[in-house]
Amino acid sequence: SQQGEEDPQALSIQEGENATMNCSYKTSINNLQWYRQNSGRGLVHLILIRSNEREKHSGRLRVTLDTSKKSSSLLITASRAADTASYFCSGGSYIPTFGRGTSLIVHP
Amino acid sequence: GAVVSQHPSRVICKSGTSVKIECRSLDFQATTMFWYRQFPKQSLMLMATSNEGSKATYEQGVEKDKFLINHASLTLSTLTVTSAHPEDSSFYICSARAEQVDNYGYTFGSGTRLTVV
Repeated sequence: SQQGEEDPQALSIQEGENATMNCSYKTSINNLQWYRQNSGRGLVHLILIRSNEREKHSGRLRVTLDTSKKSSSLLITASRAADTASYFCSGGSYIPTFGRGTSLIVHP
Repeated sequence: GAVVSQHPSRVICKSGTSVKIECRSLDFQATTMFWYRQFPKQSLMLMATSNEGSKATYEQGVEKDKFLINHASLTLSTLTVTSAHPEDSSFYICSARAEQVDNYGYTFGSGTRLTVV
């Protein structure tokens, strides 16, 4: 079953603004991962947050995890045009599965 | 570390021919690799799980005779699209799990854009 559904499907912001995207999943997880996909490319692993963590930072990325609500959020602060991409989450399971992703467009 | 190399990046073939896509783990051993297919603005749909030294496990609805998967070594898995048709045109991506899952999670190839004409 699909372990990660992103919301919103599309997000359009201006450079310098923050971008927040959400992820919901269905079953219990050990960890949750966020990935980025540039157009026509493979996925790049951004960050992994374990089920016993509530928040994690990596550079301009901040990820939260609420296991009680089975949800996670990815915040990109001070966005740049180069952040334009699709972002996917995947609940930790042996086989990574994905939703449709959030398509982020950052206008210069 | 944990790099997956996928080739070719783009391929155009004639209808009825076969196309082979390679997925290599460059600096780690991958006993399991995954093959996905992605249509424009859609999610990655898992096609099959490739296991080194054994038969691949295909997802429901994926024709195993059409999408041949071979995982003959710990660093190489191949997907062959046999007798390709225009409806097979898509973006194919492979993935492998590195040992250091906490650091790397799953590593993906850069994808192969297949166009069948």
